Amino acid sequence: AQKITQTQPGMFVQEKEAVTLDCTYDTSDPSYGLFWYKQPSSGEMIFLIYQGSYDQQNATEGRYSLNFQKARKSSNLVISASQLGDSAMYFCAMRTSYDKVIFGPGTSLSVIP
Amino acid sequence: DAEITQSPRHKITETGRQVTLACHQTWNHNNMFWYRQDLGHGLRLIHYSYGVQDTNKGEVSDGYSVSRSNTEDLPLTLESAASSQTSVYFCASSRDRNEKLFFGSGTQLSVL
Repeated sequence: AQKITQTQPGMFVQEKEAVTLDCTYDTSDPSYGLFWYKQPSSGEMIFLIYQGSYDQQNATEGRYSLNFQKARKSSNLVISASQLGDSAMYFCAMRTSYDKVIFGPGTSLSVIP
Repeated sequence: DAEITQSPRHKITETGRQVTLACHQTWNHNNMFWYRQDLGHGLRLIHYSYGVQDTNKGEVSDGYSVSRSNTEDLPLTLESAASSQTSVYFCASSRDRNEKLFFGSGTQLSVL
């Protein structure tokens, strides 16, 4: 069965430090995509970054980057130079071969001043 | 500007009643999705659609139905609301398989 696992229910990071949020996935499909979304306390879902299974390089978007390890089926989000506004829930998601998108349970990140 | 809107934002209903949550997008996206968000479970997929007249069951489809009569709308119906369906419901759309999902603002549904 296709599944997303995020093993860190809550994380703390000091402001200006880097933090890594873990995501592992389970799929037998050769083609898939991985997304990360941020949900602040306001409740909106904000797209952060995307990685396709055939992409040769790790995706980067500003302060966000992915540590994509295909053999290990992991796609960890790295946030560099954390800011107070980064405090939020972070969800890892996977697009499957049937184009449905499933989400993990999320990680709550708190940035400490 | 194109957008995706959900209505109502908040709804309180009684067990056994039929409830319909609306989702309307103006991007002309083919793919539309309904999720429910519960603490500890993240977002769980209820139903999804790839285009007009196409609907598919997701992970937690029991007790829910959808219909896609046009590109813009994918209403979600709870046939007989149950307290276990108290949740925040999100609608999302995407243009194609490699594109990000655009989310609505969510509907907070309480079933008493």
